[in-house]
Amino acid sequence: KAGVTQTPRYLIKTRGQQVTLSCSPISGHRSVSWYQQTPGQGLQFLFEYFSETQRNKGNFPGRFSGRQFSNSRSEMNVSTLELGDSALYLCASSLVRGPGQETQYFGPGTRLLVL
Amino acid sequence: AQKITQTQPGMFVQEKEAVTLDCTYDTSDQSYGLFWYKQPSSGEMIFLIYQGSYDEQNATEGRYSLNFQKARKSANLVISASQLGDSAMYFCAMREGRYGGSQGNLIFGKGTKLSVKP
Repeated sequence: KAGVTQTPRYLIKTRGQQVTLSCSPISGHRSVSWYQQTPGQGLQFLFEYFSETQRNKGNFPGRFSGRQFSNSRSEMNVSTLELGDSALYLCASSLVRGPGQETQYFGPGTRLLVL
Repeated sequence: AQKITQTQPGMFVQEKEAVTLDCTYDTSDQSYGLFWYKQPSSGEMIFLIYQGSYDEQNATEGRYSLNFQKARKSANLVISASQLGDSAMYFCAMREGRYGGSQGNLIFGKGTKLSVKP
């Protein structure tokens, strides 16, 4: 079974531009979460989607948005990029096997550099 | 207050020896899950092991085991017979059962950098 895939793997943008990142979850997984990882702040939760609905949202400005399609693929968008948005963006897909039983598998990430 | 605390920023272990990576957590939920991930320099987060709050037995996955002490709110990762390929960052994470089960985001600790010496 294929793992979580993310595209693109690397991206360079300039301040003020916008960017769209894509994530395809493991087949059968309906939950997709996004995380931002920076050396200073560590891993921080952005948002989670389940069946095309945003189920949970982290403490990020409105410039960060996302969506999920009917095939569970998800995109996140960052508008008006700032230097501080440079980070590794990780997508994870989740499978709940039963009450209190779950795994979350991450994709390889997208490294975004904002100049 | 931090919900996940990893007190060891870096650790060294000799190849073939066992090593314990510490993790303590803070939650008032009864239902929660604890995860350990490995992140090599490539950046990918590799799932290692999961422990549910209601699981009475410690989780094990190959050379990885989770020493779960619920009363102490401790979920230490034990790696047996360390290998050079185990050198990486290790993150402890918690998912609280805010929505009545297995929903909610992962909260990560700051990680422990493990270096395995030949």
